[in-house]
Amino acid sequence: EAGVVQSPRYKIIEKKQPVAFWCNPISGHNTLYWYLQNLGQGPELLIRYENEEAVDDSQLPKDRFSAERLKGVDSTLKIQPAELGDSAVYLCASSRWDSPREQYFGPGTRLTVT
Amino acid sequence: TQLLEQSPQFLSIQEGENLTVYCNSSSVFSSLQWYRQEPGEGPVLLVTVVTGGEVKKLKRLTFQFGDARKDSSLHITAAQPGDTGLYLCAGQGGSEKLVFGKGTKLTVNP
Repeated sequence: EAGVVQSPRYKIIEKKQPVAFWCNPISGHNTLYWYLQNLGQGPELLIRYENEEAVDDSQLPKDRFSAERLKGVDSTLKIQPAELGDSAVYLCASSRWDSPREQYFGPGTRLTVT
Repeated sequence: TQLLEQSPQFLSIQEGENLTVYCNSSSVFSSLQWYRQEPGEGPVLLVTVVTGGEVKKLKRLTFQFGDARKDSSLHITAAQPGDTGLYLCAGQGGSEKLVFGKGTKLTVNP
């Protein structure tokens, strides 16, 4: 069984530029999560999807961050415009609808904003 | 807001030593999980504990959930260099949202 796939693995951009991250969850997992992990910290939830519906986006800074999961499978997280403080690792995770505790994480995208 | 505090933040030991890391909160969790994260990778789930007082063993790792479901510990016996990593605890409260601690960075020196 393939794991959660994320791309790119690394991204370096200048501030004020846009950036997008892509995630393909494990097949059959209808719940998808985007987390932010700062250096020396644990992951913090940005948004959770149940199929194509965003059911928890309370921690997503909506002025510059957006996400979509149009067909209920893969998902894209976008930042526009990026700020220096957005430098972090962006993790995607997925789980089955009946096992929300069993979250499987992708390798993450390390974003550096210069 | 539910918070999980992990201690110690950093731990460096020699191969063969035993160690315990802790995860504490003032909140009650319906379940608690432990993950291990290696550099450049995402967290990998090690165990989920659900019942107060529950003890689970995974080879040389022993996980315990506190009786009041507010705290947990991870004990590693005879640590090996391959155990090196960031150990994260995560609690699930009333919603399905997981709250993560900041982690314990473990280094096992050969």
